[in-house]
Amino acid sequence: NAGVTQTPKFRILKIGQSMTLQCTQDMNHNYMYWYRQDPGMGLKLIYYSVGAGITDKGEVPNGYNVSRSTTEDFPLRLELAAPSQTSVYFCASSYRLVDGTSGKISYEQYFGPGTRLTVT
Amino acid sequence: DQQVKQNSPSLSVQEGRISILNCDYTNSMFDYFLWYKKYPAEGPTFLISISSIKDKNEDGRFTVFLNKSAKHLSLHIVPSQPGDSAVYFCAASGQGGSNYKLTFGKGTLLTVNP
Repeated sequence: NAGVTQTPKFRILKIGQSMTLQCTQDMNHNYMYWYRQDPGMGLKLIYYSVGAGITDKGEVPNGYNVSRSTTEDFPLRLELAAPSQTSVYFCASSYRLVDGTSGKISYEQYFGPGTRLTVT
Repeated sequence: DQQVKQNSPSLSVQEGRISILNCDYTNSMFDYFLWYKKYPAEGPTFLISISSIKDKNEDGRFTVFLNKSAKHLSLHIVPSQPGDSAVYFCAASGQGGSNYKLTFGKGTLLTVNP
């Protein structure tokens, strides 16, 4: 059980180039997410998906695109890379958990190791 | 506007002492709170959580306290160990029907000195 895997670990792009950050999870989680983390900042949600074929924008979606053709994979596409996209990107997945006592629903997210992207 | 705030960017404590990390939130719709730990060059890992129906949750050396009236939670680590040195993120969910989305604070860097 590898959890959430991301490739590549590091990448340097020139301005205007495109690339796809890969994310795969083997936990059969319905929910998947892409975040970026800039220095000294928390994680900002880029896009998320509640299941195969369904995606939606998060807090900072501009300059990115996603697709979710399978439960396992959630690639993030950068078109026309810009220096402002220099960041560390984290993919995460979660599942719906119901507390047996309270009936409350919660979601604990599992993160991949991250991709460090530099755009110059 | 930040809905989850960690006002201390860093905290330094001696090994064996208590570490207290604080987190404030502004959105009264939040009803589930989590702490994540992050080592350099790794992804965040889940540490402990608390639902709004509780005011305390313990897991070994880690305890999270929730004060709903003050919209404040804290993570206590007792005793602190050098391996606890990491960035700790507070996160919250519960915004209407989208409680599968988390809102994160900026993180607090904890350094535990031997």
